[in-house]
Amino acid sequence: NAGVTQTPKFQVLKTGQSMTLQCAQDMNHNSMYWYRQDPGMGLRLIYYSASEGTTDKGEVPNGYNVSRLNKREFSLRLESAAPSQTSVYFCASLGQKSLNNSPLHFGNGTRLTVT
Amino acid sequence: AQSVTQLDSHVSVSEGTPVLLRCNYSSSYSPSLFWYVQHPNKGLQLLLKYTSAATLVKGINGFEAEFKKSETSFHLTKPSAHMSDAAEYFCVVSESLLDTGRRALTFGSGTRLQVQP
Repeated sequence: NAGVTQTPKFQVLKTGQSMTLQCAQDMNHNSMYWYRQDPGMGLRLIYYSASEGTTDKGEVPNGYNVSRLNKREFSLRLESAAPSQTSVYFCASLGQKSLNNSPLHFGNGTRLTVT
Repeated sequence: AQSVTQLDSHVSVSEGTPVLLRCNYSSSYSPSLFWYVQHPNKGLQLLLKYTSAATLVKGINGFEAEFKKSETSFHLTKPSAHMSDAAEYFCVVSESLLDTGRRALTFGSGTRLQVQP
């Protein structure tokens, strides 16, 4: 059982380039999330999707777009990368959106560097 | 509004000695609380969770945490540290938003645990 799979694992971009981070889960989860992790700041929510066909902004959405392609896949796009977007990006999924005690399942992350 | 404070950004212990990672939270409602562990270049893995069933929660790898409502704390402990425990640990508070039914998750800033031989 693969769980949450993110690609690529590493990426280096130049300022202004675009790219899409891919995420897929095989647990039939409804909700999916994109976080960024920066030193000393924990994880901050970029966007989330409570169910197929819906997306909502999180704490730090500026400079990003998302697509919930189907129930399995939730992609994050950087249209014009900036050095401030250098970070580690994590995708996560959740089976029960309103069940308070369900844990998130995380992918292994994408380490992005923007030069 | 909810918040999470991890009181130490770094903790260093010797192998075989106790571990204490501190977490304080604030929450408007009855929250659920989680501890996650992140090993280098890995995603976050659930260690344990509190969901109001019992105040002392046992997790994987010998970790446990005690929910103390009066102190708004959820500190993570382990009696004897192992080298493999060296990682970053995150305390997370979760609330269900009554108006939307959606969950609000807030992560602490993390505590890096170093285990000395």
